[in-house]
Amino acid sequence: ETGVTQTPRHLVMGMTNKKSLKCEQHLGHNAMYWYKQSAKKPLELMFVYNFKEQTENNSVPSRFSPECPNSSHLFLHLHTLQPEDSALYLCASSQGQGPNYEQYFGPGTRLTVT
Amino acid sequence: QKEVEQNSGPLSVPEGAIASLNCTYSDRGSQSFFWYRQYSGKSPELIMFIYSNGDKEDGRFTAQLNKASQYVSLLIRDSQPSDSATYLCASMQGAQKLVFGQGTRLTINP
Repeated sequence: ETGVTQTPRHLVMGMTNKKSLKCEQHLGHNAMYWYKQSAKKPLELMFVYNFKEQTENNSVPSRFSPECPNSSHLFLHLHTLQPEDSALYLCASSQGQGPNYEQYFGPGTRLTVT
Repeated sequence: QKEVEQNSGPLSVPEGAIASLNCTYSDRGSQSFFWYRQYSGKSPELIMFIYSNGDKEDGRFTAQLNKASQYVSLLIRDSQPSDSATYLCASMQGAQKLVFGQGTRLTINP
């Protein structure tokens, strides 16, 4: 589908569980992003990494913890989530950062918190 | 955070007609604007982006930007049933922050 892959595609977890979402981009891009898409709400930026360094945290609760070990991989570690955290979590990447760089999205992980 | 506004629709257009999708934004500092298409249950797919005032054409798609009016639009010519999807407008705020609108649901009727 795209050069950005995400696993798992679906995840159901209890509020006391710990799980991780994985994203990998095969496009040679330098910037990676996590977005959240909830029903009835606009797609919302969570975190940005540029050359492995976090450059944006959009006031995300600490129960979401990102990790970027290299420019190709991005993780989102989840712990003690709430039911309202159920959403589609999308990873994206771009060649660089700036107004002319397009972001390409992965297929997403559909998360359900019970 | 500055906002991006779209009419949520649904917008119904007959097959073969021109579909017109509109978006307004509040951040005058935004330099570029992106249109994504999202089919139900799928991730957003980039259609095109625009950063200069005026029109930008790519196949059946034309993006229009009017920075004075803070208005962006997407025209789809010769609409096909496969164009039925939700269209997301986004503005780039700063160097890295894409801010999305709610999306407009478009239905092309055969």
